[in-house]
Amino acid sequence: ETGVTQTPRHLVMGMTNKKSLKCEQHLGHNAMYWYKQSAKKPLELMFVYSLEERVENNSVPSRFSPECPNSSHLFLHLHTLQPEDSALYLCASSQAYAGENTEAFFGQGTRLTVV
Amino acid sequence: LAKTTQPISMDSYEGQEVNITCSHNNIATNDYITWYQQFPSQGPRFIIQGYKTKVTNEVASLFIPADRKSSTLSLPRVSLSDTAVYYCLVGDLYGSGNTGKLIFGQGTTLQVKP
Repeated sequence: ETGVTQTPRHLVMGMTNKKSLKCEQHLGHNAMYWYKQSAKKPLELMFVYSLEERVENNSVPSRFSPECPNSSHLFLHLHTLQPEDSALYLCASSQAYAGENTEAFFGQGTRLTVV
Repeated sequence: LAKTTQPISMDSYEGQEVNITCSHNNIATNDYITWYQQFPSQGPRFIIQGYKTKVTNEVASLFIPADRKSSTLSLPRVSLSDTAVYYCLVGDLYGSGNTGKLIFGQGTTLQVKP
């Protein structure tokens, strides 16, 4: 248990569906991250939020839309996804976006399958 | 952004000490070195972090030579449960917008055999 909770743990969705992934942390951290991990590939950093403001958007397709309503919650809204978007989506948080205290705590991930 | 190079895979046996070396020839003055461990279908977990010389905690040791162009993660007496992917990350101590500290490479897949 890392203190970062992701829901749902598994999700199957059609290409025309709209769904959202949720991430929650009560560690008092100010930075939150979304990563994508496809089979046998490294983690790809998608988005970074620091103090509820997006500070990184690494050329992610617009069918992925992040939302950070407060410092404890992070969402990833999904719509019109493609089968190649099937992957493990990981959320992480750290005390700070920059500086020494950037040890990241990861959630268990959401296993997404697009059919 | 300092690039890291690690072996793709390593094999070991239970009870052995495992050393995984990471090369980071372009490491900058403000960069520090962090190692994470990842089990299948789980998020990575922080193992250890250092800037220079040697750092030890209850899980591992991290050796960093004076030139800091490489680092070695040492796992003492591994067990089957240490089978995982190990990532070396190099990042800016003082931030300034650099997320290099949380950019993951291919990592090293360690297989511990009985």
